[in-house]
Amino acid sequence: DTAVSQTPKYLVTQMGNDKSIKCEQNLGHDTMYWYKQDSKKFLKIMFSYNNKELIINETVPNRFSPKSPDKAHLNLHINSLELGDSAVYFCASSRQEDQPQHFGDGTRLSIL
Amino acid sequence: QKEVEQDPGPLSVPEGAIVSLNCTYSNSAFQYFMWYRQYSRKGPELLMYTYSSGNKEDGRFTAQVDKSSKYISLFIRDSQPSDSATYLCAMWANTGNQFYFGTGTSLTVIP
Repeated sequence: DTAVSQTPKYLVTQMGNDKSIKCEQNLGHDTMYWYKQDSKKFLKIMFSYNNKELIINETVPNRFSPKSPDKAHLNLHINSLELGDSAVYFCASSRQEDQPQHFGDGTRLSIL
Repeated sequence: QKEVEQDPGPLSVPEGAIVSLNCTYSNSAFQYFMWYRQYSRKGPELLMYTYSSGNKEDGRFTAQVDKSSKYISLFIRDSQPSDSATYLCAMWANTGNQFYFGTGTSLTVIP
């Protein structure tokens, strides 16, 4: 059983479109995250939710909006996609904020 | 200056070699230290997690933390081709309430 699953795995779309990435965890964790990994493999946190409440919102354009319908899900909606949004987006979860994170396998977003 | 510095490599070693991967940090408030392994087209996978200075061993892997020098290491003994991956260090301090990741070191173990 996959612990942290993201869909879709690949997303190829045109500049200006709106897209969503879904994430689900079946580990019973309280905290979920979205990270962006650039081509140099640097992982940068975007958002962190604890029990459906936003606790970290790094400097991210407001075109990115996370939504947590329940503790097990954290979705990422992106409006007006730009070329610079091309990256791999990882969802992760942890028991608490100071505990190790479990990652999904990423969503590879390519903007044409 | 970045919170966590990690040499990106690439590092290439023959099978059976001992590999040493390192990270340095500037924030003395970091309390928890992790090493992740990331295979190509996969998410990072937790290898080691420690919160104190000293060594922690798990099979062929040893994590070492030196808080006085602000330096952490991961040693891989008897390296295997299946160890070929990118290795990321990560650290947590309750002041920032988030994990800070190194940029990763790309390792190739040649059969």
